[in-house]
Amino acid sequence: GAGVSQSPSNKVTEKGKDVELRCDPISGHTALYWYRQSLGQGLEFLIYFQGNSAPDKSGLPSDRFSAERTGGSVSTLTIQRTQQEDSAVYLCASSLLTSPGPEAFFGQGTRLTVV
Amino acid sequence: GESVGLHLPTLSVQEGDNSIINCAYSNSASDYFIWYKQESGKGPQFIIDIRSNMDKRQGQRVTVLLNKTVKHLSLQIAATQPGDSAVYFCAELGGSGGSNYKLTFGKGTLLTVNP
Repeated sequence: GAGVSQSPSNKVTEKGKDVELRCDPISGHTALYWYRQSLGQGLEFLIYFQGNSAPDKSGLPSDRFSAERTGGSVSTLTIQRTQQEDSAVYLCASSLLTSPGPEAFFGQGTRLTVV
Repeated sequence: GESVGLHLPTLSVQEGDNSIINCAYSNSASDYFIWYKQESGKGPQFIIDIRSNMDKRQGQRVTVLLNKTVKHLSLQIAATQPGDSAVYFCAELGGSGGSNYKLTFGKGTLLTVNP
């Protein structure tokens, strides 16, 4: 596709369930980022991938959160045993270069609601 | 205007007026700044950037001003149009730790343009 694609667009899950959020970056983009946006807040960094490696996982809120990237392309963010405070929009971005800037593009996000 | 850590402010303008959105940043080591526009249900979209060795940069209908002395950033939108209605975020890079990929976002300013 032409842009960063995220799926699903919306996800409602029961507290305690596991969820997987998917990000399809722009083809050829080696850098991939996950951010979380809570209601009325700015974006909070979660994790950064360069290729399939994640040199910085410092933003993951707890060990319930994990992410992987395969083939230098698709990335999956997994949240285990979801809690209500996990409700947010999860945004993925990709860029050709390491440093985000005009060449970094965001997906439309996955709105996660934990009930 | 906005500042990292404050509530989401709002700005309402008439179509055709100029808009000024402000942002205060806290890390004097930040050396790269980006303004993003986020429309409802979409991911952030790059508008304009500026490096710390500049104090002004102009784009199409937008101008970013950087005042490093007081750690202040502003986005000026000329002849604001209804399509400019969105949440605007400033983001900084290269702060403490020297990260060249982890953007730190402000909470955003909601711009509403009245026809």
